[in-house]
Amino acid sequence: EDKVVQSPLSLVVHEGDTVTLNCSYEVTNFRSLLWYKQEKKAPTFLFMLTSSGIEKKSGRLSSILDKKELFSILNITATQTGDSAVYLCADNTNAGKSTFGDGTTLTVKP
Amino acid sequence: DAGITQSPRHKVTETGTPVTLRCHQTENHRYMYWYRQDPGHGLRLIHYSYGVKDTDKGEVSDGYSVSRSKTEDFLLTLESATSSQTSVYFCAIRNRDETGELFFGEGSRLTVL
Repeated sequence: EDKVVQSPLSLVVHEGDTVTLNCSYEVTNFRSLLWYKQEKKAPTFLFMLTSSGIEKKSGRLSSILDKKELFSILNITATQTGDSAVYLCADNTNAGKSTFGDGTTLTVKP
Repeated sequence: DAGITQSPRHKVTETGTPVTLRCHQTENHRYMYWYRQDPGHGLRLIHYSYGVKDTDKGEVSDGYSVSRSKTEDFLLTLESATSSQTSVYFCAIRNRDETGELFFGEGSRLTVL
């Protein structure tokens, strides 16, 4: 059974801080690792990672995958209150299914 | 905008009644999914479909059935709702093929009294 574990489960920081969110996985038929952001409604896609060591970047957010150690990290620099959300990671397999971690709830205080 | 709509968006029902949630997409995507989300559990896959009349179970399929008689609609049915099925249900489609990212509908909040 595929397993995706995120840590920490929750995190409280102040504006301007840098945060690192972790995602480890044990997956058969691994294809890629995806990150999503969920505010009040549905999750929205952030990044898809397929290759080790290649950083994906979008503004203040970046992510990288380590396929040897089976983990990924999501970094957010210079956090803002608008970054407050639940961040989810999920695997992609050959069968087209995704298993999600339980998420990290990030709260950014002014 | 992936063109996904869910209905109903909110429903309150009583234990033992049947409930059907509908997911409708307008962009001819092959893969469709039903997830439930509960506090502390992230998103858990109920059922998914990889084509018309082709469906398979996810990790929490007990008590649920699905049907996909045409590409654009994926129905989730609770034959006899229980309080443990109180949850937020998300439909999703997968971009491109089985390797793409998921796009989610806005969710359906179901309360079973």
